[in-house]
Amino acid sequence: GENVEQHPSTLSVQEGDSAVIKCTYSDSASNYFPWYKQELGKGPQLIIDIRSNVGEKKDQRIAVTLNKTAKHFSLHITETQPEDSAVYFCAARPNTGNQFYFGTGTSLTVIP
Amino acid sequence: GAVVSQHPSRVICKSGTSVKIECRSLDFQATTMFWYRQFPKQSLMLMATSNEGSKATYEQGVEKDKFLINHASLTLSTLTVTSAHPEDSSFYICSAPPSRGNSPLHFGNGTRLTVT
Repeated sequence: GENVEQHPSTLSVQEGDSAVIKCTYSDSASNYFPWYKQELGKGPQLIIDIRSNVGEKKDQRIAVTLNKTAKHFSLHITETQPEDSAVYFCAARPNTGNQFYFGTGTSLTVIP
Repeated sequence: GAVVSQHPSRVICKSGTSVKIECRSLDFQATTMFWYRQFPKQSLMLMATSNEGSKATYEQGVEKDKFLINHASLTLSTLTVTSAHPEDSSFYICSAPPSRGNSPLHFGNGTRLTVT
């Protein structure tokens, strides 16, 4: 089955700096990669996603890149703000079935 | 967008009692729902997949008799923690997969269960 690895597990950045979180996946059949933000005591919320036919996607301060050959994808947050502090999860979904496979999460702290 | 409602958000119960958690898809039909358990500072651990009209599929190591799952309709799945013990205290989250491929998983807001 699919195996998703995520790094780093914790990340601290100064407000205004950029943050990058990286994930790798093992199943070449995976074709959909969402990123979720989870605030304390709440369920994960989708922040951005990318499909396998696209190499990069951007939404304001958030961008995701995908390298299918290397089987890795990354989340980039620019001009970080304290409210970006949360746990972020990457996920991969193979093109068969409806199961999602999650990374182990990255706890991001933005220092004011 | 698609919304998944989970209730209650917090529950405290005594050891030996049972607790029911509801997960509803508000504006779409979900033939399948996933139930996760999350320990502090850890990732989502898939417990089981509920299937409307049939038995749930449990992940290895999850006790079927402890965590009863019922998918009563296309918009409602329930998780009942039976004979709860303090070690069952955790954050439980439900989610519903998209009706079409390459769409995000929709999560409920989770239930914080504390067993005293």
